Amino acid sequence: EDKVVQSPLSLVVHEGDTVTLNCSYEVTNFRSLLWYKQEKKAPTFLFMLTSSGIEKKSGRLSSILDKKELSSILNITATQTGDSAIYLCAVGTTSGTYKYIFGTGTRLKVLA
Amino acid sequence: DADVTQTPRNRITKTGKRIMLECSQTKGHDRMYWYRQDPGLGLRLIYYSFDVKDINKGEISDGYSVSRQAQAKFSLSLESAIPNQTALYFCATSGVVETQYFGPGTRLLVL
Repeated sequence: EDKVVQSPLSLVVHEGDTVTLNCSYEVTNFRSLLWYKQEKKAPTFLFMLTSSGIEKKSGRLSSILDKKELSSILNITATQTGDSAIYLCAVGTTSGTYKYIFGTGTRLKVLA
Repeated sequence: DADVTQTPRNRITKTGKRIMLECSQTKGHDRMYWYRQDPGLGLRLIYYSFDVKDINKGEISDGYSVSRQAQAKFSLSLESAIPNQTALYFCATSGVVETQYFGPGTRLLVL
């Protein structure tokens, strides 16, 4: 059975700290791994990682895909209170038909 | 204007009632999806459609049906709502590039 597991489930840090969120997966026919940020309602896209693009960076956020370890990390440096959100990892797979499998998310709270 | 819209945004209904959630998109994407989100369970795929004539079941399709009326419209129906269908429902779209764009969500409460 395909699955995506995120850790930790929740995290509380202070502004300025650096955090690392983890996503591991077991899927057949891996296609892509996506990171989303969910603040109040709809998830918003952060990064997509594939076999041909295993590292992405945008400002204080960066992400790396480790296909050997079947995992990805999302790093946030110099955290701000606005980074408080649930961070979702999703894996695109073509097992059966194409679909995305989501992890349960990591809830990050950044204290001022 | 939002690229992906959902109506209604909130709905309270009773057990046994039929209810329809609607999704519209202006992104011109062929692919559309319906998810539900429950605390501690993350997002789970209910149905997805890769074009108007293509409808596929996701991992939790029982008790739900969908209709793809046009490229831009994808509706989700609960034929006979039950309390464990209380959840936050998201519609999403994607194009050739795999990024999914989510609607604002519909919060459904089944009494």
